Amino acid sequence: AQTVTQSQPEMSVQEAETVTLSCTYDTSESNYYLFWYKQPPSRQMILVIRQEAYKQQNATENRFSVNFQKAAKSFSLKISDSQLGDTAMYFCAFMKHNNNNDMRFGAGTRLTVKP
Amino acid sequence: KAGVTQTPRYLIKTRGQQVTLSCSPISGHRSVSWYQQTPGQGLQFLFEYFSETQRNKGNFPGRFSGRQFSNSRSEMNVSTLELGDSALYLCASSLFSSGVYGSEQFFGPGTRLTVL
Repeated sequence: AQTVTQSQPEMSVQEAETVTLSCTYDTSESNYYLFWYKQPPSRQMILVIRQEAYKQQNATENRFSVNFQKAAKSFSLKISDSQLGDTAMYFCAFMKHNNNNDMRFGAGTRLTVKP
Repeated sequence: KAGVTQTPRYLIKTRGQQVTLSCSPISGHRSVSWYQQTPGQGLQFLFEYFSETQRNKGNFPGRFSGRQFSNSRSEMNVSTLELGDSALYLCASSLFSSGVYGSEQFFGPGTRLTVL
């Protein structure tokens, strides 16, 4: 079974600084997808960034980037130039290739951006 | 395009009752997935429907069931409610069912169910 571990329940960062959220996962699969989702307080969950396991290049979306280490089964999220609107729960998620949207989520990291 | 909508947003039921939650996906999306979110267990996959067929199911008892209509709208039903069923139920829609494309899932706001 696939498991996703987020070891940091809570983190905080000053506005404009950089923060890295950790995620590790356990799988015997070789082809899969990894995601970071953001769930702001009382708002809908939205996709932040996605990584295909077969791609060696780390995904980047504006201020958000990942450090994907396939051998180490690590998938960390770096947020640069943090903004107050980045305050949210962040969930790391894993999905096997061709597995009909069965995503496995980590427990989440509550990130607070301080002014 | 309108986003994923879920109704009702809040629901209070008592033990033993049953409940039906509704999800309308983004127009053109044919896949609908359901998740349960609780403080203790986090986000857990319930099931996924694509073209009116259940394609995948998580590890939940048979009291949890669902269906999808020809217009891709989906309903989730929980029978004989238990206190532990109190949770935020999230629905997500995507263009494709298969993880072949790692297709993005768009989430709705959720239905918060409280079982007393």
